[in-house]
Amino acid sequence: AQTVTQSQPEMSVQEAETVTLSCTYDTSENNYYLFWYKQPPSRQMILVIRQEAYKQQNATENRFSVNFQKAAKSFSLKISDSQLGDTAMYFCAFIPRGHEKLTFGTGTRLTIIP
Amino acid sequence: DTAVSQTPKYLVTQMGNDKSIKCEQNLGHDTMYWYKQDSKKFLKIMFSYNNKELIINETVPNRFSPKSPDKAHLNLHINSLELGDSAVYFCASSHADRDHEQYFGPGTRLTVT
Repeated sequence: AQTVTQSQPEMSVQEAETVTLSCTYDTSENNYYLFWYKQPPSRQMILVIRQEAYKQQNATENRFSVNFQKAAKSFSLKISDSQLGDTAMYFCAFIPRGHEKLTFGTGTRLTIIP
Repeated sequence: DTAVSQTPKYLVTQMGNDKSIKCEQNLGHDTMYWYKQDSKKFLKIMFSYNNKELIINETVPNRFSPKSPDKAHLNLHINSLELGDSAVYFCASSHADRDHEQYFGPGTRLTVT
C-alpha cells in the first residue's frame, strides 16, 4: 500500500518570501505520478503542479517548483515570491501509473502574512 | 465552462434521511471518482467508475451507492444518513490512460443534524 506523509501541519511565511513544503511517500512502484493540490478557503481543489517519476527534471509552474528525489522518495514544493492568494491547504498526492487510486497526504496549512 | 460540477454545494438534512449528490463533467474524461474530506481535511477515495463500470470501491458503508448513468455523470446516493456522514464530498474526473491528473468539482458540504 502507498502512503504519503506531510510532516508540517501548519506553516506561515511573510509575503514575498520563499517557502518549501515537505512531502515523502512510500511505494514499491517504479512508475508513478506525484501532484501538489491547493485548497483555498473556497474549498476548491486546484492542481498546482505534477511530476512524472520517470522524468529526472523537476517540474516548474511559474512561482511553483518541486524538488523530486526519487531515491529518497521525497517530493517538496517550493513557492517563490509568495502572495496572499497562496494562503491555502496544500496536499501532496501519489498515484501509480495505470492505476486510478490517488492517495493524499494529510495536508499543510500555509498562511501568507502581509 | 465549468469542467466538473456538483449539485448541491450545500446540503443540510436530518439523520435517517436519504439524499443524493449529482456530479457532471464536460471534459470528455472516462473515469470519475467520489472522495470524502473529513473535518480534519483528510481526503479519501470512496469510489471510482471507468466508462460506467465500478473499478474502485473502498471500505464504504452499503448506505452509500454510486450510480453512473453515462460517462459524464456520477451520482452519489446516501441512505439512512448518520451524523458521521457529515463531511465535504468531492467528485473528480480524469483520463486514466493519459496523464492521471484528476480534476475536482467544487465539493458538496453535507451536514447531518
